[in-house]
Parts: sequence; C-alpha cells; structure tokens
Amino acid sequence: QKEVEQNSGPLSVPEGAIASLNCTYSDRGSQSFFWYRQYSGKSPELIMFIYSNGDKEDGRFTAQLNKASQYVSLLIRDSQPSDSATYLCAVNIRPYSSASKIIFGSGTRLSIRP
Amino acid sequence: GAVVSQHPSWVICKSGTSVKIECRSLDFQATTMFWYRQFPKQSLMLMATSNEGSKATYEQGVEKDKFLINHASLTLSTLTVTSAHPEDSSFYICSGGPGPTGELFFGEGSRLTVL
Repeated sequence: QKEVEQNSGPLSVPEGAIASLNCTYSDRGSQSFFWYRQYSGKSPELIMFIYSNGDKEDGRFTAQLNKASQYVSLLIRDSQPSDSATYLCAVNIRPYSSASKIIFGSGTRLSIRP
Repeated sequence: GAVVSQHPSWVICKSGTSVKIECRSLDFQATTMFWYRQFPKQSLMLMATSNEGSKATYEQGVEKDKFLINHASLTLSTLTVTSAHPEDSSFYICSGGPGPTGELFFGEGSRLTVL
C-alpha cells in the first residue's frame, strides 16, 4: 500500500463548478497535511495545509480532514480555467521524530473546461 | 511564503560527467533540505533528506554514492549527480523547511538532460 494515494485523473470539471480532490494516507500517526498545486514543468506551490479534523476554508479552497478515516480532500469552488493543474496531496509522516518527512501522492490532474 | 532558489534551471551534460545543483534558502534558515526527483507525468519521489552539518539520509533505492548531497550551512544544500547517465535525466527539486506550519518551500527545480 502506498503511503499517500490519490486518483490520478484526469478530473474534468466545467467552469464555475466545484472540483473535489481526494487523498488517503496509511500512517495513522500523521499530523499535518498539505495540498500543493503544480503546473506542467514548474515546481509545486502550497495551496493549503490542515492539521485538525474538519474543514478549513481559504477563499475558493476548502480542505477537509478526517483522521479516523485517514482521508483528506480539497474542494475548489467556482472553478476557473487557471485552476487546471496537477494537485498533490502531501503528508508529514512521523512528524515528531528525526525521521520526519513529507511524502507526496501521485497527484490528480484537474482540467477545467470552459 | 519563504523563498528557495535553485540553480541551474536547465542543464545538459554528456554521459559520464558530473553535475552539481545548488539550493539556497534566501530568507529563512532551512534546518532540513529535501531533494525530490520527478519523471514526466509522475509524482515527486523523495530521494534524500539532509540536515545541516550531518550526513544525508537516503531513501531506499537511491544510490548515495551516485547522488552526493552536501548541506554545509543552514542556507545552502547541493546535489551532485556523479557519472550521469541518460536514465538520470529528470526534474530535480529541492525543498527547505519546515516552515512555521510544517510546510516545505520548493526551489524552482532543475531539469537535467544527460546525452
């Protein structure tokens, strides 16, 4: 089982709709979770982070975390063509040890169609 | 967010030569640097983790004698690909952290092409 799993997509969403991206992780001790956006040929850029169960909203983005189900998601409201990118879920595993490291999922390609 | 500068952005080299990639944290002290490699249409694969002043910790399957990592200061880490081969051609990305909320800050990436 991979440590961080995402559906690779592509996920096609009409402009203005809500895009829903999902991620599961295997390490129950994980404490911090991140969503990065990566445009083709570019480095990832941080969109959101979440630590606590529940929802966290920032503009058009909402991150949702359910530690019991080991599940984290990202919702993008009012999707825009500029949101078309690969979205990477990242998990800080073993966060309180010297072996702490951030592992990435394989990413979900999102395409917003006009 | 914090700034991590990576150089060079592009490098083309002949098979058998060595290539050095630099990663600098410009406005914060990165206690830990992570080096990732990304092949086309694949995710970021962690190669190694380095802490300032100590030896890097390599992930399983990554040859430490081939990918030399040096983290001599809190603002500079280097990755040297020794005796590069065409299969080493990839996008190499460094990241520094952790930030105040545990996040990583990424360099711009270095695209290596080995002929």
